[in-house]
Formats: sequence, structure tokens, C-alpha cells
Amino acid sequence: DGGITQSPKYLFRKEGQNVTLSCEQNLNHDAMYWYRQDPGQGLRLIYYSQIVNDFQKGDIAEGYSVSREKKESFPLTVTSAQKNPTAFYLCASSIYAGGRTGELFFGEGSRLTVL
Amino acid sequence: GNSVTQMEGPVTLSEEAFLTINCTYTATGYPSLFWYVQYPGEGLQLLLKATKADDKGSNKGFEATYRKETTSFHLEKGSVQVSDSAVYFCALITYNNNDMRFGAGTRLTVKP
Repeated sequence: DGGITQSPKYLFRKEGQNVTLSCEQNLNHDAMYWYRQDPGQGLRLIYYSQIVNDFQKGDIAEGYSVSREKKESFPLTVTSAQKNPTAFYLCASSIYAGGRTGELFFGEGSRLTVL
Repeated sequence: GNSVTQMEGPVTLSEEAFLTINCTYTATGYPSLFWYVQYPGEGLQLLLKATKADDKGSNKGFEATYRKETTSFHLEKGSVQVSDSAVYFCALITYNNNDMRFGAGTRLTVKP
């Protein structure tokens, strides 16, 4: 079945450590996204990528980094510079054609807790 | 910039009650509008969408109509079930800005 796979589902990290969240899609979508979800705040965009080897910052990119070396993969690194990293992280993808992005398809999320 | 405002929750209803969750938007350009649903511990799933004015999106008994004159996309269901308990997000995307904007989400709890 086609879809988006995020791993790990749960992750615990000590302060000062970098962690990388995996996101893989087999939908052949061009565009991929990372969102952060905090209680009562909806989803906030961290980074997005419309094509391989290219990505743009979203609203809250500070303390995060991404790469897009393959179409299927868009890993997110939460660095020690991110001051409040405990959150639920959602990866999404969409078709990107003719300058317009369609609906988003989401993974099941990764919950990061900093101890 | 683009933004979405949806009614604050939580919303608690009895089974078979009528549901309305309000959503209004601000957009530069012509948006497509979406409702997503999130069940506990999961990612978001597309519930319905509308891509032009006066379109009605519908799915699983839920409906929403794209109202350009009032910049609204309210979600409705005539008779809710316990299984509809979830968080609902209104969202938009425009041609000139390819990142999707989400409302804060509305938590719905349906009691038997």
C-alpha cells in the first residue's frame, strides 16, 4: 500500500542531543513537509521541499534542519539549538504539479519528549 | 498572509446531535479549502475539500460549502456518532503560496 512512514513513533532525548526523525513516502509525490503540533496551537510548518535537493524554511525553522537527497525521503533533525523540542511531529507529502500543491497526505507522527 | 480561524473547542455533543464547526479564512489569491480529521495518536486524514466558490465537499455524512462572499467553510453533520470523536482542522492552500495553512483545531467529543 502507498503511504507515508514516520519513525520512530516515540522518541526520548536528553537535553543537548540532536535527534533525527525519519519520513519516507512511496506515493511518488514531489512535495514533502514537516509540521510541529502542540496542544491548542494546531499545526505549524517547520520546513517544506517541492523538489529533490531543494527546501524552504517554514514559520518555525530555527533549531531544525532537513535534507532532501532522494524523492522518497525527507528526514528532520531536531538540534540542541531548538529550545522547546517536546512536541508531536508530522510529516506530509503532496503532488506538486504546474505550480500548485494538492491535498496533503500525512504520516502517523513521531512524538518527541526531551527529558 | 494566509490564515484560518476556526471555532474554539472543545465541543461536546450527544449522539445523533447536529454538528457545526465554524471556519473562516483570509487569503491572498484563490484558495482551495480542506477539512482534516485527527483521531487520537494518529496523523491527519483528509475528510473533505472544495476547490472553488460554491463547491460543496462531502464525506462520511460531513459537508462543507465554500462561501467566497463570507470567506467561510463551515463543517456540518446532521447526526454525529461516538466514532466521530476527534480533532477537526480547517485548512487552506493558494496557488501562489504552496504551504498549507491550518486552523488551531477543534476537539469534538460525542457521548452515547
